[in-house]
Amino acid sequence: AQSVTQLGSHVSVSEGALVLLRCNYSSSVPPYLFWYVQYPNQGLQLLLKYTSAATLVKGINGFEAEFKKSETSFHLTKPSAHMSDAAEYFCAVSEYTGTASKLTFGTGTRLQVTL
Amino acid sequence: DARVTQTPRDKVTEMGQEVTMRCQPILGHNTVFWYRQTMMQGLELLAYFRNRAPLDDSGMPKDRFSAEMPDATLATLKIQPSEPRDSAVYFCASARDTGWIDEQFFGPGTRLTVL
Repeated sequence: AQSVTQLGSHVSVSEGALVLLRCNYSSSVPPYLFWYVQYPNQGLQLLLKYTSAATLVKGINGFEAEFKKSETSFHLTKPSAHMSDAAEYFCAVSEYTGTASKLTFGTGTRLQVTL
Repeated sequence: DARVTQTPRDKVTEMGQEVTMRCQPILGHNTVFWYRQTMMQGLELLAYFRNRAPLDDSGMPKDRFSAEMPDATLATLKIQPSEPRDSAVYFCASARDTGWIDEQFFGPGTRLTVL
């Protein structure tokens, strides 16, 4: 079964600093990988996805992630944090169950941005 | 702008009462998911449907929860009787499963408070 592990349930950065949120995956087949963001009192929305095309994926709001097969990683980065980036971020992998597909989510990383 | 809709957005009820939450998936999506999110447990998959057929409801307490999809435009999640521990935000999500899910869209959630 496919799974993802997010390292660090809370990450705090200063405004303008680099954002790095870590995600490692486990998959027996080439995976589809996703990052979702959840702002307070809202649902999850797609930030970016990797579906076997370019290994460096660019998403909304200046975020990007790089698929590294050798490291089984799909870390999320942003060069310069903004206060509006404060949210919870979820990594997910698409899993085929034999009859249908579903996304398996990590436990989430809460990003705090300080002045 | 296609989106998943959920009603009600907020529900406060007393223990023992029946609660029904509704979801309208995006037109053309054949897979619907129900999630529950709490501070303690994070995001949990309760049940999901493909082409209106239930595929997996192992995440749901069977004695009090039920999920149905009476037609392609409506999914329901019922709790009877409700208990204080059911207090959470319940999300519906939909996707088009063509073998692998390449994007899953979330609704805004129903915030349930059971007193």
